[in-house]
Amino acid sequence: GESVGLHLPTLSVQEGDNSIINCAYSNSASDYFIWYKQESGKGPQFIIDIRSNMDKRQGQRVTVLLNKTVKHLSLQIAATQPGDSAVYFCAEKYSNTGKLIFGQGTTLQVKP
Amino acid sequence: EAQVTQNPRYLITVTGKKLTVTCSQNMNHEYMSWYRQDPGLGLRQIYYSMNVEVTDKGDVPEGYKVSRKEKRNFPLILESPSPNQTSLYFCASSLYASQQGKYEQYFGPGTRLTVT
Repeated sequence: GESVGLHLPTLSVQEGDNSIINCAYSNSASDYFIWYKQESGKGPQFIIDIRSNMDKRQGQRVTVLLNKTVKHLSLQIAATQPGDSAVYFCAEKYSNTGKLIFGQGTTLQVKP
Repeated sequence: EAQVTQNPRYLITVTGKKLTVTCSQNMNHEYMSWYRQDPGLGLRQIYYSMNVEVTDKGDVPEGYKVSRKEKRNFPLILESPSPNQTSLYFCASSLYASQQGKYEQYFGPGTRLTVT
């Protein structure tokens, strides 16, 4: 079946640098995309979302970019901090349903 | 405190013995969903519910049942568990399930299930 994939399983960055986590999705009919953060031993936590009629959305220190032409989603984290170390998942929602498909996750490691 | 609770948090059972994992939210959320998380496979949706008495299959529904008789509860039922259902299970809920709704999803703490 169709799935959401992340380009890199692990991303290592220096504290204070900007991080970019990428995600490729397959379903061109998906209408909503979400990024989650999962810390060790905890459930995923919502970070930011974006609808398919937008190409950029900003939150606090985070920005999500959506490129529907190439079916690509990215999460940018500004001034990465040690507390940002976690696994990051993207997810897509199939249009007219509540079905959510998650990517496999990218582990972000922040070096002091 | 706004939260999603799951019980039990840990469960070891044997093949074929019916079990139920409960999920409850106190935020009056419309949307609820169950996921399993396995190493290398990420999170996979089992079932979801857009509102009371409305449930639909996710990506991996085989071997599971759900019900949504009340807005706050969304139990996951394994009628005849098998070892391949050994996994970490998460329940989640979101406020709106309408077409323009948000799916922020608040996740529960997880239930680690082992089927021997």
